[in-house]
Amino acid sequence: QVQLQESGPGLVKPSQTLSLTCTVSGGSISSGGYYWSWIRQHPGKGLEWIGYIYYSGSTYYNPSLKSRVTISVDTSKNQFSLKLSSVTAADTAVYYCARGTFFGVVISWGQGTLVTVSS
Amino acid sequence: DIQMTQSPSSLSASVGDRVTITCRASQSISSYLNWYQQKPGKAPKLLIYAASSLQSGVPSRFSGSGSGTDFTLTISSLQPEDFATYYCQQSYSTPQGFTFGPGTKVDIK
Repeated sequence: QVQLQESGPGLVKPSQTLSLTCTVSGGSISSGGYYWSWIRQHPGKGLEWIGYIYYSGSTYYNPSLKSRVTISVDTSKNQFSLKLSSVTAADTAVYYCARGTFFGVVISWGQGTLVTVSS
Repeated sequence: DIQMTQSPSSLSASVGDRVTITCRASQSISSYLNWYQQKPGKAPKLLIYAASSLQSGVPSRFSGSGSGTDFTLTISSLQPEDFATYYCQQSYSTPQGFTFGPGTKVDIK
């Protein structure tokens, strides 16, 4: 069974870059067939798709975040990563990494990691 | 952009009740509609995909229906473990992206 685990700083200063990594176990990112996603949830709010990457490196981003987001993949480490630049308090959220199908169904989720933006 | 709405935003129900949640898309999304359940402090869990297909391992009291712009999630007999927030998600615009509804919180009456 594929498992995903987010890691990275829980506190980021305003204007800096938020960086998170998702480690995938129980399956290989490079086997193909799935999109590897980042989704966030502001405290007490709903879910917001950030973007996703295919093992080949093809990426798709939420237009509202596109100018600040970079998602990358390291197949040798079976990891994919999120960078969100110029963060503000509005980027404080629980960040989930996830695995989805070609049809956009999110079938596996990490446990989520809270990132707080504060000085 | 495709916008998703859900109704009600919250509801109170008793164990054994039949519960129906509605999701509406701002344009036709065919059957590209998925439902997730989220409990406090936990990641969402896939319940229904492609509007009406039950994810493996999900109890049969959960069902989904609809196509086009209007969809429903039904819990035929609410169980204690079903008190949670439910989200719909459109995947019609994949790979350009997908969006979630605002959620429906189901709590104990």
